[in-house]
Amino acid sequence: DSGVTQTPKHLITATGQRVTLRCSPRSGDLSVYWYQQSLDQGLQFLIQYYNGEERAKGNILERFSAQQFPDLHSELNLSSLELGDSALYFCASSPRGRVGETQYFGPGTRLLVL
Amino acid sequence: SQQGEEDPQALSIQEGENATMNCSYKTSINNLQWYRQNSGRGLVHLILIRSNEREKHSGRLRVTLDTSKKSSSLLITASRAADTASYFCATASYLVGTASKLTFGTGTRLQVTL
Repeated sequence: DSGVTQTPKHLITATGQRVTLRCSPRSGDLSVYWYQQSLDQGLQFLIQYYNGEERAKGNILERFSAQQFPDLHSELNLSSLELGDSALYFCASSPRGRVGETQYFGPGTRLLVL
Repeated sequence: SQQGEEDPQALSIQEGENATMNCSYKTSINNLQWYRQNSGRGLVHLILIRSNEREKHSGRLRVTLDTSKKSSSLLITASRAADTASYFCATASYLVGTASKLTFGTGTRLQVTL
């Protein structure tokens, strides 16, 4: 158990809909990362937050947005969903979001868009 | 986009044998990390090797890094059925300022049979 929690575990929705994925980092970690894992694209870095502020952006679509709240939990919002958004979405956390740190991954949210 | 390729894509060995996985990457890095993922679950951090290190050990794991060839290898000795999983290398590199990201390889699926 990494100490990172994600909800929900599974999500089934229809195209065009909007969903919110939630992540709570390990106790004491200030930085949160979001990743998408799909069969065709592999594991892709989406976005990083540090202490409530966006720190780095990866391959995140404009239809997707995220934020980190004062209690350090984070939410990833996916809107206007398409079939291709079906994937596993992982959240990870690290103490200070520095390049030399280990990232601890949550169990993931499996999203299926029908 | 994927930073690198892992080789082989799949590996099947018997319990007690050694397993070697290779990872190649394209850009300069700060460190390289190896993660394990059991089927459809979260990633578990195994080991981190910094760009100025050439070899590192952790239990039955041995990692080497050759920055001149932009490659790394993970050796699992005396494999067990419980080692069955997918293994990913991830390179850590700076973005802007202190921002950084992990870029994952394509993964090697290891099957250890009794």
